[in-house]
Amino acid sequence: QVQLVESGGGVVQPGGPLRLSCAASGFTFTDFAMHWVRQSPGKGPEWVAVVSNDGSEREYADSVEGRFSVSRDNSNNIVHLQMHSLSVEDTALYYCAKGVMVSGFAEDCFDSWGQGTLVTVSS
Amino acid sequence: DIQVTQSPSSLSASAGDRVTITCRASQDIDRSIGWYQQKRGGAPKLLLFAASSLQSGVPSRFTGSGSGTDFTLTISSLQPEDFATYYCQQFYSRPVTFGQGTKVEVK
Repeated sequence: QVQLVESGGGVVQPGGPLRLSCAASGFTFTDFAMHWVRQSPGKGPEWVAVVSNDGSEREYADSVEGRFSVSRDNSNNIVHLQMHSLSVEDTALYYCAKGVMVSGFAEDCFDSWGQGTLVTVSS
Repeated sequence: DIQVTQSPSSLSASAGDRVTITCRASQDIDRSIGWYQQKRGGAPKLLLFAASSLQSGVPSRFTGSGSGTDFTLTISSLQPEDFATYYCQQFYSRPVTFGQGTKVEVK
């Protein structure tokens, strides 16, 4: 079965960097774009970034554009989210997620989520 | 960006009740909407995609309808395990966006 396991969260000072990872298993990793979605305490989910199945294309939410970078290692089925210039507004539980396959096309609607890794930005 | 407005933000209901949650998109998104259930401490769980397609393993008491800008999630007979927060999400275009959530509470 599909498993997504995030790691790398922690407490970081404002302005600092952090790198998150997501280890994927149970599906053909190279068939799917992979996404990061975050959720601040008491708020709804917020999409953060996506990397295409071959890693050649990346898109970001405006709120993180220029500060975050998403990448993937298709040899080891891992997705990374490199975060820089973190602010308190980036405090959230960060999930990686994969899209649901509809008629052979992976939609940006998420049928599998990890358990999340908590990022706390605080001095 | 496409905005998604969900209502109500919360509701109180009893087991056995029929519950309806609505979602309105700021522009035509065809049928590109998904519905999620989230319980405290857990990740969102996909219930329906493409407005009305039931995700594998989800009980048939969950149904979805709509197209264009207006969508509905209906729980035909609320079960004790359904008390949770529900979110809609448009995936018509990036950035994908989520509604603000509807918390379904015990009356």
